[in-house]
This record gives sequence, C-alpha cells and structure tokens, in this order.
Amino acid sequence: EVHLLESGGGLVQPGGSLRLSCAASGFTFSTYAMTWVRQAPGKGLEWVSVISGAVDSTYSAHSVKGRFTISRDNSKNTLYLQMNSLRAEDTAIYYCAKVGRYCDSTSCYTSWRFDYWGQGTLVTVSS
Amino acid sequence: QSALTQPRSVSGSPGQSVTISCTGGSSDVGGYNYVSWYQQYPGKAPKLMIYDVSKRPSGVPDRFSGSKSGNTASLTISGLQAEDEADYHCCSYAGSYEWVFGGGTKLTVL
Repeated sequence: EVHLLESGGGLVQPGGSLRLSCAASGFTFSTYAMTWVRQAPGKGLEWVSVISGAVDSTYSAHSVKGRFTISRDNSKNTLYLQMNSLRAEDTAIYYCAKVGRYCDSTSCYTSWRFDYWGQGTLVTVSS
Repeated sequence: QSALTQPRSVSGSPGQSVTISCTGGSSDVGGYNYVSWYQQYPGKAPKLMIYDVSKRPSGVPDRFSGSKSGNTASLTISGLQAEDEADYHCCSYAGSYEWVFGGGTKLTVL
C-alpha cells in the first residue's frame, strides 16, 4: 500500500526558511516522479514543483521559482522541499504526491496525474 | 499560468446527475488530453478520481465519468449519493512539466 507522510511544517516569519519532508513507502520510490502541491486556507490546489525519479530534472511554478527547491534522497525514500524567502502568500497546506506512470512492453513513462497524496503539512508565514 | 475556471458550487439530489465544468485555454485543457479530477473531503487529502480526461483508476465507481470539448473539461457524477458531497478539483498538464489546477467546486447533495 502506498503511503506518503509529510512533516516539517510550522510557523515561520516572513523572509524565513523551512524544509519539508515526505517519507514514502509501499512502492519503488526511485522509479517515480514526485511532486508538491499546496492549498491556501479556503482556496483551491496549486501545483508547486516536480522532480523526476532519477533526480536529474526539476521544475517549479513561477510563483516559487528561485525561492523553493525540490529534492529527493532515493536511499531514504524521502522527498524534500526547501523553502526560502517565505512570504505570507506561501501560507498553505503542502501536500506531496506520487506522479503516475504507465508502462508498455518495453518501457515506462511518466503519466500526467497525481495518483497518491499524503495528508499534508501546514506552513504558516506570519510575524 | 492562470488557474482553470470551475463553478464555485453545484448541487443535486440523491439519484440525480451533476456535471462540473473546468475551463482553460489552448495551452492547457485544449492542448493536452491530460485532465485529471480530484475529490477532497474537508480536512482530508485529495483523491484521484479521473485521469487522462476520461479514465478511472481502479476502485473509483463508474458513476464518475469525464469528458472534454475544446478548452472545457467536465466531470459528471450520475446516481448521486450522499457520500459524493465533497470538493472537486480539476487539473490539466500545461506543457513544459507544469500543471494548473482549477479553483475547486463544492458539491452539495441535497
């Protein structure tokens, strides 16, 4: 059974930093891309960042580019999100999610869906 | 990328059908067949209900169906049940390894 558990959220002052973690189990972590999605209080979901399984490619939304860094440690089955220069508008629940994949007879390919989600960790940016 | 447009709320009675729309543009919904829908109960994590416009993951009831026409995707729930009352979020791949979500729709079962 796939299980994702986020941690590291909390209260931080504007301009501060925080590192979120997401511990994964129940699947071969290193072979799947992983992503972070956030949800501000009472708002919709917002895609934040994605990282490939092999750690060679990362992409981020414009709203966090240059401030947030996604990374992973496949030896620890853990995904990270380093958040710097935090702003009040970064206040949200941060979810990690597993990116789907499909395979044919010869290869496997990333599928553009988020098929399993963690329960989320709350980040509050306030003075 | 601008957020996709969803109605803030929809409602229906048990047994009826409801449809939730999700409107984007040619660079997201209209440009790719990679629209997904997520169900979210209050205080809980989202759950994948539909992917690639109309495919259902294992375990999702066939009462849930998806479609797309031009720049608008739709989620239809038939035979509405009380347990379907939740928030529903659409999402589209937008190219260059970016995704865009809608603002979410609150479904009320009357």
